[in-house]
Amino acid sequence: GESVGLHLPTLSVQEGDNSIINCAYSNSASDYFIWYKQESGKGPQFIIDIRSNMDKRQGQRVTVLLNKTVKHLSLQIAATQPGDSAVYFCAENISEGAQKLVFGQGTRLTINP
Amino acid sequence: DAGITQSPRHKVTETGTPVTLRCHQTENHRYMYWYRQDPGHGLRLIHYSYGVKDTDKGEVSDGYSVSRSKTEDFLLTLESATSSQTSVYFCATNRVYNSPLHFGNGTRLTVT
Repeated sequence: GESVGLHLPTLSVQEGDNSIINCAYSNSASDYFIWYKQESGKGPQFIIDIRSNMDKRQGQRVTVLLNKTVKHLSLQIAATQPGDSAVYFCAENISEGAQKLVFGQGTRLTINP
Repeated sequence: DAGITQSPRHKVTETGTPVTLRCHQTENHRYMYWYRQDPGHGLRLIHYSYGVKDTDKGEVSDGYSVSRSKTEDFLLTLESATSSQTSVYFCATNRVYNSPLHFGNGTRLTVT
């Protein structure tokens, strides 16, 4: 079935550097995409979303880029901090009329001091 | 987040027993969802609700049923628990279509 995947299961970066987490999706009809952060023992926490009529959206220290031509989604985190250590998931809405999010496997981001 | 409370937070049960997990929200969100999270599979949708008494199946609905008799409560029932249903279960809600889901902190279920 169609699903969202990730290029890297783990990512280690130095504190203060920028992080880029990538995600590939396979459903060209998906119209909505979300990035979540999950810390141990907690539920996923919303970071940023983007609709298919946009190719870039910025939040506080985060930017999401959407490339519909190659079906690629990325999350950029600026000036990475220790508190950014977590598992990051991308998700896409694959269904019209009902919000059925399909999640990727997740990327673990580790911040080195 | 979004005033979501899941209960219980942890449960151990035996194979073949019925189990009900509860999700309670205080934000009056229309949509509610049940996901399970397993290593190697990420989060997978079990069932969802788009209003009181309106529910539909998700990706992995076999062995599960749901009920929503009030806006604020969404129950997930395992009629006869199996070891393959050992997982962490998350409830989520959102107010409108194509808006972020807000998740609870999960219920860890172990079926022995």
